[in-house]
Amino acid sequence: GEDVEQSLFLSVREGDSSVINCTYTDSSSTYLYWYKQEPGAGLQLLTYIFSNMDMKQDQRLTVLLNKKDKHLSLRIADTQTGDSAIYFCAGSHNNDMRFGAGTRLTVKP
Amino acid sequence: NAGVTQTPKFQVLKTGQSMTLQCAQDMNHEYMSWYRQDPGMGLRLIHYSVGAGITDQGEVPNGYNVSRSTTEDFPLRLLSAAPSQTSVYFCASSYPEGHEQYFGPGTRLTVT
Repeated sequence: GEDVEQSLFLSVREGDSSVINCTYTDSSSTYLYWYKQEPGAGLQLLTYIFSNMDMKQDQRLTVLLNKKDKHLSLRIADTQTGDSAIYFCAGSHNNDMRFGAGTRLTVKP
Repeated sequence: NAGVTQTPKFQVLKTGQSMTLQCAQDMNHEYMSWYRQDPGMGLRLIHYSVGAGITDQGEVPNGYNVSRSTTEDFPLRLLSAAPSQTSVYFCASSYPEGHEQYFGPGTRLTVT
């Protein structure tokens, strides 16, 4: 298994870009994921990236993977108040998935 | 499709009691898993199953048992509840690794 670390809090103004960072220890992770959790709900998959990719873009979301530094980031462009939630990064290898502690994103109007 | 369903939504147990948390999915997913979520610790994998009749341990399996007699159901059993098992429990399902995991709404368990 691996350790996955994230900063716990991020606050941005509406319309700005948000960048949530994550570091992981296990370079054998096959897939790396970003999940979103809204209050009282389960986790919802936002996007994922295969370990042999450097970048993936999906509408307002951009995922960057730096395998050398074992660093994963999620950029949310034009952040909206509806983006306020907890964001988890996770890595998986052989069906064993490990999550970070989550970053609480607060979007101020 | 109902997706992933979990029952109960809330449960209070006394130390030493046993109970089963139910999880079911109607998407014919092979992979199912149980996580617990504790403040400041994210989700930790308890047990998972890659298909009916096959289960394996995750990161924090002690104190929990699972079985997978059908594709649809993956119950989690606490044999003798302890206060350290107070947590929110999530069940998830997916096709094999690399596909989206669908999470249930969670069960909030308190052990006194």
